Amino acid sequence: QSALTQPPSASGSPGQSVTISCTGTSSDVGSYKYVSWYQQHPGKAPKLMIFEVSKRPSGVPARFSGSKSGNTASLTVSGLQAEDEADYYCSSYAGFSYVFGTGTKVTVL
Amino acid sequence: QVQLVESGGGVVQPGRSLRLSCAASGFTFSSYKMHWVRQAPGKGLEWVAVISYDGSNQYYADSVKGRFTISRDNSKNSFYLQMNSLRDEDTALFYCARGGGAAAGRAFDYWGQGTLVTVSS
Repeated sequence: QSALTQPPSASGSPGQSVTISCTGTSSDVGSYKYVSWYQQHPGKAPKLMIFEVSKRPSGVPARFSGSKSGNTASLTVSGLQAEDEADYYCSSYAGFSYVFGTGTKVTVL
Repeated sequence: QVQLVESGGGVVQPGRSLRLSCAASGFTFSSYKMHWVRQAPGKGLEWVAVISYDGSNQYYADSVKGRFTISRDNSKNSFYLQMNSLRDEDTALFYCARGGGAAAGRAFDYWGQGTLVTVSS
């Protein structure tokens, strides 16, 4: 149950796009469509942004999108806005357990 | 609206026990898997445990297996985490979270605000 690997930080100017990677193994990301992404602002609870690799819950803006290739999933935030500055975590089902990513701090320049 | 409210956190000495509770409202509690997820101060998220709809199945992270027990009482719309043999490294903010069910699959679609557990002598 090792954590999924994410870059510690990512940044972009308002209006630009940023992509965050999430690398796992064939036992988690590579084996299941159950990759999800969470946004966490300081002092707040995480919020579900993407589930099942690329699906958005109701109320999440369309500029948030997800994809997966092999053992690596990705979250792209297009048209960055100031309120997108937060920590982002990926998560994957791993067969009767779940694993989170190491987290990425997104900074809007 | 969906609400999850944790309680039971506090300061506890290493080796002692603590029981966390999560009260749910705004949805049919007995239809959903429920999870505990923790976050050590300044660190990332760590999944802890999950319990099935009816409480018949429980699964745990290796780091807590044998020490923590997840349970639920559907008549009270609540679930729990019994934590025994607590260690310094269990210090964290513990969140309860709802499993996504039919709408969001194996994701955590609603979260509580967390209850802080501090293990210290």
